[in-house]
Amino acid sequence: TQLLEQSPQFLSIQEGENLTVYCNSSSVFSSLQWYRQEPGEGPVLLVTVVTGGEVKKLKRLTFQFGDARKDSSLHITAAQPGDTGLYLCAGSLPYGQNFVFGPGTRLSVLP
Amino acid sequence: GAVVSQHPSWVICKSGTSVKIECRSLDFQATTMFWYRQFPKQSLMLMATSNEGSKATYEQGVEKDKFLINHASLTLSTLTVTSAHPEDSSFYICSARYRGPLEQYFGPGTRLTVT
Repeated sequence: TQLLEQSPQFLSIQEGENLTVYCNSSSVFSSLQWYRQEPGEGPVLLVTVVTGGEVKKLKRLTFQFGDARKDSSLHITAAQPGDTGLYLCAGSLPYGQNFVFGPGTRLSVLP
Repeated sequence: GAVVSQHPSWVICKSGTSVKIECRSLDFQATTMFWYRQFPKQSLMLMATSNEGSKATYEQGVEKDKFLINHASLTLSTLTVTSAHPEDSSFYICSARYRGPLEQYFGPGTRLTVT
């Protein structure tokens, strides 16, 4: 079983639409990161959230860390074709040095 | 800042040979680096954690004698796939821990094809 679940697995939307991607777990994380990965490339860090309830904004992207630090969401406003990619959440467990990755959400934004 | 490079970006080798992949932190020192494997359209799977000056810690199911990891300096970790087989073909990605335990930055990945 996956320690981190992501939903939806796949999402295909039209340019200009809004969307939300979820990352859920039954475990508590000391921090959680969101990455975007394009085919044939390594993941690129978008944001790190640390505090329960924290909200961070990166242009059209809004990230939220759940109050209990077990879940997170990524909201994209007015999606653009350049947002297309695999979105991965990764959690850092307390007292550990490893990161656990979710299965990813594959987003396709059509022009 | 926080740039990680990998070399080579892709490699094709014959079954039975060994392949070495390098991971370098270009503008920072990384005491901890991670090696991941990614199959097509799947997420990243952690293979091992590499600590400078000590033995790597391998995840369950990863053969340490097959995937040799050496973290000889604060800016370089290497992964050697020994006696490669076609099933070892995959996308190998490294990452380096930056500014404490909460952030890691990834290299661009190495596509290994074993024929």
